[in-house]
Formats: sequence, structure tokens, C-alpha cells
Amino acid sequence: GENVEQHPSTLSVQEGDSAVIKCTYSDSASNYFPWYKQELGKGPQLIIDIRSNVGEKKDQRIAVTLNKTAKHFSLHITETQPEDSAVYFCAAINDYKLSFGAGTTVTVRA
Amino acid sequence: ETGVTQTPRHLVMGMTNKKSLKCEQHLGHNAMYWYKQSAKKPLELMFVYSLEERVENNSVPSRFSPECPNSSHLFLHLHTLQPEDSALYLCASSQAPEGAGYEQYFGPGTRLTVT
Repeated sequence: GENVEQHPSTLSVQEGDSAVIKCTYSDSASNYFPWYKQELGKGPQLIIDIRSNVGEKKDQRIAVTLNKTAKHFSLHITETQPEDSAVYFCAAINDYKLSFGAGTTVTVRA
Repeated sequence: ETGVTQTPRHLVMGMTNKKSLKCEQHLGHNAMYWYKQSAKKPLELMFVYSLEERVENNSVPSRFSPECPNSSHLFLHLHTLQPEDSALYLCASSQAPEGAGYEQYFGPGTRLTVT
């Protein structure tokens, strides 16, 4: 089955700086890579995703890159704000099975 | 109601109790999922229903029993649970995948504590 590894497990950044979270996956058949943000007391919320036929996707301050050859993908958050503080999960999907990384706790310092 | 809703939000039960978790999706999707989220572990897929048929049972103990009466509702029936079953149980929905993988939308979860 798919194995997704996520780093770092915790990340503290100064407000206004950038944050980068990296994930690797094992199954070359995986073709869809979503990122979720989970705030305290809430379920994961889809924030951005990328499909295997695309190398990069951007949505305002959030961007995701995918390197299919190396089997890794990354989330980039620019100009971080206090409301970006949350746990972020990467995932890889093969057919309908989503496999998640262990999560990164991001803290944005004011 | 919008999105994916789950009830109850919190549940405390003894090991001999029987209880049920409920999930409802208002997105017009036709696939629904149960996940277990434990502290410091990745989300674990438990069950998948696509077009009201169970297509995945991810080696889940029989003390967890899912039910999907229609494409909008999903239940998780619980009986004789163990303390290690304490976790956040998340429901999600999507369009039934056809090989390409579709976005899954999550509910807020039920925080379950087994005493």
C-alpha cells in the first residue's frame, strides 16, 4: 500500500515569513495529492490539491509543487499570518484510497 | 445544513455500551468514508461506501459496524469497545471515484472516549 511521510512534524515561523512542508510517497500509481488544514476542534479542510499531470499549482498565498520522478510534493505558504496556525496534512490517493502523512503543526509567531 | 455534519460531537461510553455515530452529507456526493484519527498518528481509513455499497473494510475489528442506508447518510455502530478505540472519528464524502481520485470533504468529527 501507499506510505506517505511528512516533514517537519512541527514548524514555527515569524509572521510574514514563508513556511514549507515536504512529503514523500511510495506508490508511483498515486495520481492525486491534496493538502488539508485542521484547526482545533474541526475536521480537516481541503486547502489545495494537485494532480499528477501538473508540476505546480498556486492559490493566493498557497502553492504546491509535485516532482513525480522523485515522488515528493511540497506545500508553500507565503506571507504567513496568525490564522495560518494549524495542523497541515498531506495525502496521496490511488483510486479512492487516501493515505495521509502524520501532520505538521504550524505555529505563526506574531 | 451545509457540507458534512456529524453527531454527536462528543461521546463517552463504557466498554459494554452500544452506541452509534451519525454522518450526513449535503453535497450531493455518492461516496462516504469513515476515518479514525488518533493522537500523533496519520488518519486511518476504516470504511468506504461507494454508491451505497461497501467497497473497503480496512481490517477494522468487528466491534465497529458501518451502515449506509442511502448516499447521504452513514452510520458507525459501536459495541464492546476498548479504551484504545478512544479517538476522533471523522466522516468524509466525495463523488464516487472512477480511477482519477476525487476531493474528499470532511465533517467536524466525533470525539469518542471509551472508559
